[in-house]
Amino acid sequence: GEDVEQSLFLSVREGDSSVINCTYTDSSSTYLYWYKQEPGAGLQLLTYIFSNMDMKQDQRLTVLLNKKDKHLSLRIADTQTGDSAIYFCAESMGTGANNLFFGTGTRLTVIP
Amino acid sequence: KAGVTQTPRYLIKTRGQQVTLSCSPISGHRSVSWYQQTPGQGLQFLFEYFSETQRNKGNFPGRFSGRQFSNSRSEMNVSTLELGDSALYLCASSLVQGGTDTQYFGPGTRLTVL
Repeated sequence: GEDVEQSLFLSVREGDSSVINCTYTDSSSTYLYWYKQEPGAGLQLLTYIFSNMDMKQDQRLTVLLNKKDKHLSLRIADTQTGDSAIYFCAESMGTGANNLFFGTGTRLTVIP
Repeated sequence: KAGVTQTPRYLIKTRGQQVTLSCSPISGHRSVSWYQQTPGQGLQFLFEYFSETQRNKGNFPGRFSGRQFSNSRSEMNVSTLELGDSALYLCASSLVQGGTDTQYFGPGTRLTVL
């Protein structure tokens, strides 16, 4: 079965970089996603990466994928207080199996 | 383009009752998935509907059911509510055009069972 793991908490100072890590077990994952959840809200899609890529950059966000180690990371550059939220990584098997398997979520706290 | 909408946003029910939650996908999206989020179990997949048919199902009891209408709007129903059904229920829609099938989530319906 699918098992996606994340560390529960991360604290960083405003202006520093944050790195949120995720490991997954299913090597047949085709897409990996990062979602952000603010208190009382739904999930906001941040970015995704296809499994044949090893890096994707989108403004302040950099996603790194090590498929051999089944390790995914999200780096947020110049972290701001508005980045404080819970971050979820999720994997899917792609078209035809449109269900996401989520990690436990990492609560990012940005200290002013 | 409007996002995924869910109604109601908050709901309080008592044990034994049933509840129906509604989800309107992004215009043009044909797939709707439902997830349950609880502090103990995290985010868990309930089911997915595509073209009015259930295409995938998670590991939940038969008390949880859903349907999709011809306009892609979806409802989920929970019968004989239990205290453990208290959760945030999230709906997500995707285009299903091949490729990513990226899911976009609504704000959720927070269900409290007393």
